[in-house]
Amino acid sequence: DTAVSQTPKYLVTQMGNDKSIKCEQNLGHDTMYWYKQDSKKFLKIMFSYNNKELIINETVPNRFSPKSPDKAHLNLHINSLELGDSAVYFCASSHAGPSSTGEAFFGQGTRLTVV
Amino acid sequence: AQSVTQPDIHITVSEGASLELRCNYSYGATPYLFWYVQSPGQGLQLLLKYFSGDTLVQGIKGFEAEFKRSQSSFNLRKPSVHWSDAAEYFCAVGAKGGSEKLVFGKGTKLTVNP
Repeated sequence: DTAVSQTPKYLVTQMGNDKSIKCEQNLGHDTMYWYKQDSKKFLKIMFSYNNKELIINETVPNRFSPKSPDKAHLNLHINSLELGDSAVYFCASSHAGPSSTGEAFFGQGTRLTVV
Repeated sequence: AQSVTQPDIHITVSEGASLELRCNYSYGATPYLFWYVQSPGQGLQLLLKYFSGDTLVQGIKGFEAEFKRSQSSFNLRKPSVHWSDAAEYFCAVGAKGGSEKLVFGKGTKLTVNP
């Protein structure tokens, strides 16, 4: 059973298009994240949701809009795609709370290529 | 704000040799520290974590790491590297509570020569 799954795995699209990436976790976690990994492999947080509420929004252009319909799902919609949006986007989840040991579990990533 | 430095961008070792990957962190409170591995085209897999207790932690695939508060370090070690260990390794720091973001280092690429 896949713990954190993202779809699609690969996404090639033209500049100006709108696209979505979906993420689901079956770990029972209450916190989910989107991370971006650039061409130099640097990983940076974009958004974090806890129980469907946005708690971290790290200086991301407002063309990026996350949505969490329930605590097991976190989707990422990107409007008006630009060349610089090309990257690998990782979804992750973790358990929050005083007993948490803080580790995040990651999906396989979505490689977005904007042409 | 927390930060992580991995001084080595690329390390090459021979199969069977020992390995040490360096990680230094900056964090105002007691850190939660992690090492993740990313094989080509794959997601990130947790190798090990430190959040309290024994400063020498054991992980999967024969890896271990030692937390040294005085040096703000959390170096990853393996006594004998296998060809399948070739991958990108990321050190990360987080906070107690689990809903905080992880801050990652820039990664160390490990190449294993036969």
